[in-house]
Amino acid sequence: EAQVTQNPRYLITVTGKKLTVTCSQNMNHEYMSWYRQDPGLGLRQIYYSMNVEVTDKGDVPEGYKVSRKEKRNFPLILESPSPNQTSLYFCASGNFDSPLHFGNGTRLTVT
Amino acid sequence: AQKVTQAQTEISVVEKEDVTLDCVYETRDTTYYLFWYKQPPSGELVFLIRRNSFDEQNEISGRYSWNFQKSTSSFNFTITASQVVDSAVYFCALERNTGNQFYFGTGTSLTVIP
Repeated sequence: EAQVTQNPRYLITVTGKKLTVTCSQNMNHEYMSWYRQDPGLGLRQIYYSMNVEVTDKGDVPEGYKVSRKEKRNFPLILESPSPNQTSLYFCASGNFDSPLHFGNGTRLTVT
Repeated sequence: AQKVTQAQTEISVVEKEDVTLDCVYETRDTTYYLFWYKQPPSGELVFLIRRNSFDEQNEISGRYSWNFQKSTSSFNFTITASQVVDSAVYFCALERNTGNQFYFGTGTSLTVIP
């Protein structure tokens, strides 16, 4: 089944404790991206990647890192999480001329 | 700069009523793509439609229809004979021609009352 898989679905952590949210897609998509969803703000793009080893900042990259060492994986790294990064995170993948496929989301709480 | 505006934050309708969700966008790109996604209470994002800027034909898919008007920079979504299962948050989005940047509206929360 074609899908984008994010893990974990829920994560509660404390300020400053490094964490990684994984994202994997099995559709051989070149493009992958991360979004955060906050009430009243919709979805905002954090980082995106057009292909392996190619990443770029979206609208809200501060406090986040990503890597794209393999085509299928695009992990989101929070090296020192803060409470303002409490949010619902979505990973997405796609090819040009096709819609984005989203993962099921990761709800992160930073205390 | 790119921007997508969904001015309707929340809408409530009674089942079987028709409802239109508004989407207004801003871009200076001549080629771009517009989307609608549905987010049901379970939280996942479900793709509904993708339309490129050169195709202004209205589209109908079952009870769903979309009206794209470049003259007013709008891409409105109508649900005919709404059902309780239509209750969700709906997002309108714009994709730049570069294919790497997407801009979402803030969403419209639709509640269909039985």
